[in-house]
Amino acid sequence: DVKVTQSSRYLVKRTGEKVFLECVQDMDHENMFWYRQDPGLGLRLIYFSYDVKMKEKGDIPEGYSVSREKKERFSLILESASTNQTSMYLCASSPTVAGLPDTQYFGPGTRLTVL
Amino acid sequence: GEDVEQSLFLSVREGDSSVINCTYTDSSSTYLYWYKQEPGAGLQLLTYIFSNMDMKQDQRLTVLLNKKDKHLSLRIADTQTGDSAIYFCAVYSGGYQKVTFGIGTKLQVIP
Repeated sequence: DVKVTQSSRYLVKRTGEKVFLECVQDMDHENMFWYRQDPGLGLRLIYFSYDVKMKEKGDIPEGYSVSREKKERFSLILESASTNQTSMYLCASSPTVAGLPDTQYFGPGTRLTVL
Repeated sequence: GEDVEQSLFLSVREGDSSVINCTYTDSSSTYLYWYKQEPGAGLQLLTYIFSNMDMKQDQRLTVLLNKKDKHLSLRIADTQTGDSAIYFCAVYSGGYQKVTFGIGTKLQVIP
């Protein structure tokens, strides 16, 4: 089974802190994604990466950065956390297989609260 | 860009069928998915359908695709309390690994 793990289930940080959210997948997937999930807004893509050291902006990258130094690990960084970044953060990974759908496998999520 | 819409809430009685609906805007959509999210958990892929199919059945799940109306539905037969969750419709319509998700329909199953 594909396993996507996230470093924390719950996190509480203060405004202005630098926050690191870590995601690790064990299936050698090329693609990794960070989403945030908010009530009434569904999932919104923050950043994704299709290869080591590669990154692409999603729909809402402002206030976030990412790092992918190893294939299995994709980190989301909040340089200076703000209260409007309080949310559920979901990481996902998917393989690149020609002719097959982009099946994304999700981690359990990190609920981040910024005070 | 792609827009995917779902109703927010559906309530059914245990044993009845549930039908969750989704509409999308991009007619070039190629793969369409249904994901399930249980409380406090991530999303789990339930099933998917290619755009060249009209229907796909997998045990209690039936997916119907009406390409003309850009309408996707998920039918759950004999709905159980364990089916209570949020169901997300998602659509892939090209671009690099870009999938657009709906806002999710919360299914409540009444015993």
